[in-house]
Amino acid sequence: KAGVTQTPRYLIKTRGQQVTLSCSPISGHRSVSWYQQTPGQGLQFLFEYFSETQRNKGNFPGRFSGRQFSNSRSEMNVSTLELGDSALYLCASSLGDIFSGNTIYFGEGSWLTVV
Amino acid sequence: DAKTTQPPSMDCAEGRAANLPCNHSTISGNEYVYWYRQIHSQGPQYIIHGLKNNETNEMASLIITEDRKSSTLILPHATLRDTAVYYCIVPMEYGNKLVFGAGTILRVKS
Repeated sequence: KAGVTQTPRYLIKTRGQQVTLSCSPISGHRSVSWYQQTPGQGLQFLFEYFSETQRNKGNFPGRFSGRQFSNSRSEMNVSTLELGDSALYLCASSLGDIFSGNTIYFGEGSWLTVV
Repeated sequence: DAKTTQPPSMDCAEGRAANLPCNHSTISGNEYVYWYRQIHSQGPQYIIHGLKNNETNEMASLIITEDRKSSTLILPHATLRDTAVYYCIVPMEYGNKLVFGAGTILRVKS
């Protein structure tokens, strides 16, 4: 069974540009969430989608956005990139709610460098 | 999320059991305890989770105290590949949100 797949794995962007990251969840999983990891702030929750609806959102500026498609695949977009957006972006998927004992599985992440 | 407290770091000899403690004294009766680990530069890896009873899988065992205020993750025979940051998480916010603290850095030494 394939795991959570993220593309691209590595990318370099220039300040002011925008970037789109893609995530394919485990087959059958309807929940997809995104996290940012930086050395200074650690792992931080960005947002979560379930059946194409955003259910929760972390404390990030509006430049960070996401969406989920009907096949559960998800994308996140960062506009007007800043140097501080350089980070590992992680996607995770789950069959259902963790409150019901479901498990969240992570992908290997997309490394974004902003120069 | 219910606040969890973990020691910042621990050492373990290769081949010995690694016991990683976690305090979650504010946990509610229906909240699960989840354990993840992250090896440098990789995505977090799910290890195990539990509600009230002790749990075991191919990776580890999870011991939850009867009052549920603390738990211990046990890696029965630690190897060098188990060197990682281990996170104990009690999710309580709607929308599959995991809040990662600083975790415990486990160093397995030969």
